[in-house]
Amino acid sequence: GEDVEQSLFLSVREGDSSVINCTYTDSSSTYLYWYKQEPGAGLQLLTYIFSNMDMKQDQRLTVLLNKKDKHLSLRIADTQTGDSAIYFCAETGGATNKLIFGTGTLLAVQP
Amino acid sequence: ETGVTQSPTHLIKTRGQQVTLRCSSQSGHNTVSWYQQALGQGPQFIFQYYREEENGRGNFPPRFSGLQFPNYSSELNVNALELDDSALYLCASSQKGLRNEQFFGPGTRLTVL
Repeated sequence: GEDVEQSLFLSVREGDSSVINCTYTDSSSTYLYWYKQEPGAGLQLLTYIFSNMDMKQDQRLTVLLNKKDKHLSLRIADTQTGDSAIYFCAETGGATNKLIFGTGTLLAVQP
Repeated sequence: ETGVTQSPTHLIKTRGQQVTLRCSSQSGHNTVSWYQQALGQGPQFIFQYYREEENGRGNFPPRFSGLQFPNYSSELNVNALELDDSALYLCASSQKGLRNEQFFGPGTRLTVL
């Protein structure tokens, strides 16, 4: 079945690191994605990782992939108040490569 | 390069009415996917259009239908609106075969009363 799970809420202090976790079900997903959604807005693609990689770093963002456990994480270094948003992980499924999203993690950054 | 645009931004309808939402894809993209995002949930895949044909569909009833035009823009039509259709409708464009990076528009907020 298709089921992507995330914790609902994370609160951190400005300057700390944030780690958002996700578990997915489809081991055949070629790419896994992280999207950011600010209030009232659409989804912004933050980063992606190819399924044969373990780690990808992109400026303040680090994605870790554990294929054995089907676990994906997003680490944001030096978290800023502008990082406050909902973060969605997504796997791809089927011939259309449709995105299957988790329920999202609300990141609240305290000044 | 022009990003994905959607219209209208907000819409209020009553039960039983019909609605058409529009999406212009990003320049160079030939595939459009539509998603429904209910409040507090992640987006759910409705369907995808590639070269003017439906190219896959999620678990949505036939009253959800769509079109894609030669310029790759797209419409989502919903007939016989129900209260549960109230949601943010997101359109995403992509170039088939290019890592499936889907770029989202700002969405249309539909409220059904």
